[in-house]
Amino acid sequence: AQSVTQPDIHITVSEGASLELRCNYSYGATPYLFWYVQSPGQGLQLLLKYFSGDTLVQGIKGFEAEFKRSQSSFNLRKPSVHWSDAAEYFCAVDYNFNKFYFGSGTKLNVKP
Amino acid sequence: DGGITQSPKYLFRKEGQNVTLSCEQNLNHDAMYWYRQDPGQGLRLIYYSQIVNDFQKGDIAEGYSVSREKKESFPLTVTSAQKNPTAFYLCASQGQVDLEQYFGPGTRLTVT
Repeated sequence: AQSVTQPDIHITVSEGASLELRCNYSYGATPYLFWYVQSPGQGLQLLLKYFSGDTLVQGIKGFEAEFKRSQSSFNLRKPSVHWSDAAEYFCAVDYNFNKFYFGSGTKLNVKP
Repeated sequence: DGGITQSPKYLFRKEGQNVTLSCEQNLNHDAMYWYRQDPGQGLRLIYYSQIVNDFQKGDIAEGYSVSREKKESFPLTVTSAQKNPTAFYLCASQGQVDLEQYFGPGTRLTVT
């Protein structure tokens, strides 16, 4: 069965430090890959997506993600975290062109 | 402005009552989705519809029903058969070209 794993439930980083959030998926074929961010009590906003081509994709708010086929991973990174980045982050995959599978999310806390 | 609206933002009901959550989009998307979000569990798919007058059960459809009579609208009814209805409900639509899912702001349902 298809699944998406975000192994870190909570992460705390200091403001200005770098960030990496992990995402692994299980399936033979390469799916479409997405990262979303959610502020408390709000809907989800797309940060970036990967369909094909260059495995390093740039998104909004200074985020980037790298697709590694050999590791079935799509990790999200940011070189310098801002206090406003505190939120919950979800990785999602789409295998069938219309059905997403979401990871369980990683809550990011930013220390001043 | 194009987008997805969900109303109301907060909804309170007594146990045993059916309740309908509204979802409207003006993005001209064919596909629409309903998700349930509980703390620590990510998003779980309730129902989805890829075209008007057609919809499919997701992973947790028991106790829920939907209709898709218009392209713009995809209401979700939480019936009294749903054992644990208190949750945050998110509606989304998906672009035919960009394949992104666009989310509404959510409805928090509390059943007592």
